[in-house]
Amino acid sequence: AQRVTQPEKLLSVFKGAPVELKCNYSYSGSPELFWYVQYSRQRLQLLLRHISRESIKGFTADLNKGETSFHLKKPFAQEEDSAMYYCALAGGTSYGKLTFGQGTILTVHP
Amino acid sequence: DAGVTQSPTHLIKTRGQQVTLRCSPKSGHDTVSWYQQALGQGPQFIFQYYEEEERQRGNFPDRFSGHQFPNYSSELNVNALLLGDSALYLCASSQTGGNTEAFFGQGTRLTVV
Repeated sequence: AQRVTQPEKLLSVFKGAPVELKCNYSYSGSPELFWYVQYSRQRLQLLLRHISRESIKGFTADLNKGETSFHLKKPFAQEEDSAMYYCALAGGTSYGKLTFGQGTILTVHP
Repeated sequence: DAGVTQSPTHLIKTRGQQVTLRCSPKSGHDTVSWYQQALGQGPQFIFQYYEEEERQRGNFPDRFSGHQFPNYSSELNVNALLLGDSALYLCASSQTGGNTEAFFGQGTRLTVV
């Protein structure tokens, strides 16, 4: 069975502070991990995926298979980063079926 | 390209009724997935359609059914509505094959009273 856990429902930081949104997963095979973001009044959109290993809007995430984690990090948070963030997993043979975590609301204070 | 479009945006139905939600995928996409997002929860996979057939299904009862048309658009039908079916229903489209991104629509907010 696939499972994604985001332990923090809410996360508040001040502008310029580092931020880390935690994500742990459970999957027996080789998963594909994603971070999706939903800004206020906008649709869910892909932020980054582990296979591309790129940095988007200053965010990075490294897949740690030993700890089954895929934490999202940014060294200096900006007010425009305030949003709902979802970690999601797609199994190797799932044809893109996504299993989402419950989400973390990030608030960046000025 | 308008991206993924869903209709209607909001809907109010009475318990026991039936509802149909619609989704048009992003241009060039052939696969449509449906998700249910209850308040305060992450989206939950309902099912996925490819080549007009249900390819994969999540843990939802048979009251939830769907259809995909030759133009790749899709419908989600829910029969015998329950109060617990009140949620945001999201449609996502993608291109089968390769590591392609799933694009989401704005969703349909269904309220069952």
